[in-house]
Amino acid sequence: EAGVVQSPRYKIIEKKQPVAFWCNPISGHNTLYWYRQNLGQGPELLIRYENEEAVDDSQLPKDRFSAERLKGVDSTLKIQPAELGDSAVYLCASSSGPGQTQYFGPGTRLLVL
Amino acid sequence: TQLLEQSPQFLSIQEGENLTVYCNSSSVFSSLQWYRQEPGEGPVLLVTVVTGGEVKKLKRLTFQFGDARKDSSLHITAAQPGDTGLYLCAGAFVNTGTASKLTFGTGTRLQVTL
Repeated sequence: EAGVVQSPRYKIIEKKQPVAFWCNPISGHNTLYWYRQNLGQGPELLIRYENEEAVDDSQLPKDRFSAERLKGVDSTLKIQPAELGDSAVYLCASSSGPGQTQYFGPGTRLLVL
Repeated sequence: TQLLEQSPQFLSIQEGENLTVYCNSSSVFSSLQWYRQEPGEGPVLLVTVVTGGEVKKLKRLTFQFGDARKDSSLHITAAQPGDTGLYLCAGAFVNTGTASKLTFGTGTRLQVTL
């Protein structure tokens, strides 16, 4: 069974440019998470979806970050415009339901120059 | 913001040595998980503990949950180079009202050399 798929794996952009990350969760997993992991730190939750509804986006910087999960399956996370401090690894995870084991994708490593 | 502190931050040991990693908080967890993350990959779940005082073993890894459910430890016996990686603890705090919201520690980077 395929795990969580993320693309791209790496992205280098100049500051003020937009960037988007894509996540395909494990088939049948209704809960999807986006995390940001800064260098030398643990992941921090940005947003959690239950199906297509964002149930926890309290940590998402809404001035420049947006996310969507229109059909309750794939999800995209967008940053516009990117800042130098956004350089990090963006991880997507999914679980079969709230409180169930989270399975992580390999992440997208973003470098903003 | 509820903090979850891990120690040590870095650990470099030789094959065959034993080690212990600690995870501490001032708040009570409803459950706590340990993950290992290798370079270029996402974290992979090792174990979940939910009961105060609980001890779980996974081959050479022993996980313990504190009686008050505020701390946990991971002990590795006879470390091998394959144990190299970033070890993360992650807790679901009782007062968040949901087991879905995990707070991750800062991680312990372990390197095991021959």
